Amino acid sequence: SAVISQKPSRDICQRGTSLTIQCQVDSQVTMMFWYRQQPGQSLTLIATANQGSEATYESGFVIDKFPISRPNLTFSTLTVSNMSPEDSSIYLCSVRGEKLNTGELFFGEGSRLTVL
Amino acid sequence: SQKIEQNSEALNIQEGKTATLTCNYTNYSPAYLQWYRQDPGRGPVFLLLIRENEKEKRKERLKVTFDTTLKQSLFHITASQPADSATYLCALAGGSYIPTFGRGTSLIVHP
Repeated sequence: SAVISQKPSRDICQRGTSLTIQCQVDSQVTMMFWYRQQPGQSLTLIATANQGSEATYESGFVIDKFPISRPNLTFSTLTVSNMSPEDSSIYLCSVRGEKLNTGELFFGEGSRLTVL
Repeated sequence: SQKIEQNSEALNIQEGKTATLTCNYTNYSPAYLQWYRQDPGRGPVFLLLIRENEKEKRKERLKVTFDTTLKQSLFHITASQPADSATYLCALAGGSYIPTFGRGTSLIVHP
C-alpha cells in the first residue's frame, strides 16, 4: 500500500491568483497522477508526472495552466494558475500500487479549492 | 467518444439487503475494470478488479460481474450495512493501465 499526503486540504482563493498543491508519498513510485473531481462529476485525469521528465497532459489540460513538478520519486506539486471560479474543484494526487496485477490506484485525501 | 455510465440517482436500500450497482460503457475495450469506494471528503479507495477474460470476482461481501458483450459490470454488496453507505466508482483501463472513471453512484443503506 501507499500513504499519500496532500497539502492544502482545502483553500479559498481569489480569481487570478495561483495555488500550488503538494503531494508526498511514503514510498518511491515511478508514476504519479493528478486528477480533478468537479462537483457531481467523475475523476478526470489532468496529467501523469514522471520523475526526471516533463509531465504528460491529457486532452484539455495544458502545462501553462497546470504546471507540475516532480523533483524526486516521492514528491510532486500541481499548480493551478490564474484561477477562475471554473477551477473550483477537488484535486487528487494518486499513485499506482506495487501490485501491478491489480492496477490499484492509491489516492490522497484531495485538495478542495474554491475560487471566488 | 468513450463513455462510462453509472446511475446518477442514489440507491436507497434497507440494511441486510443486497445492493446492486451498474456500470455501462461504450466505445471502449477495457483490459480490466475496477470498483472504488469514495466517502465524502476522502479520496477513492480501491475495492476490486476484474479482467476482461473473467466473468465474476468475489471478495468477502462484494461480488463483481463483467459482461464484455453487454459492456456492463454489476457490483453487488450482500448483507448491506449502514457503514456501506458511500459513493461507488467504476473505472476502466485499457492498454495504458491508467483508469478512466465513471461519475459514481451513491449508496445509502438505511438501518
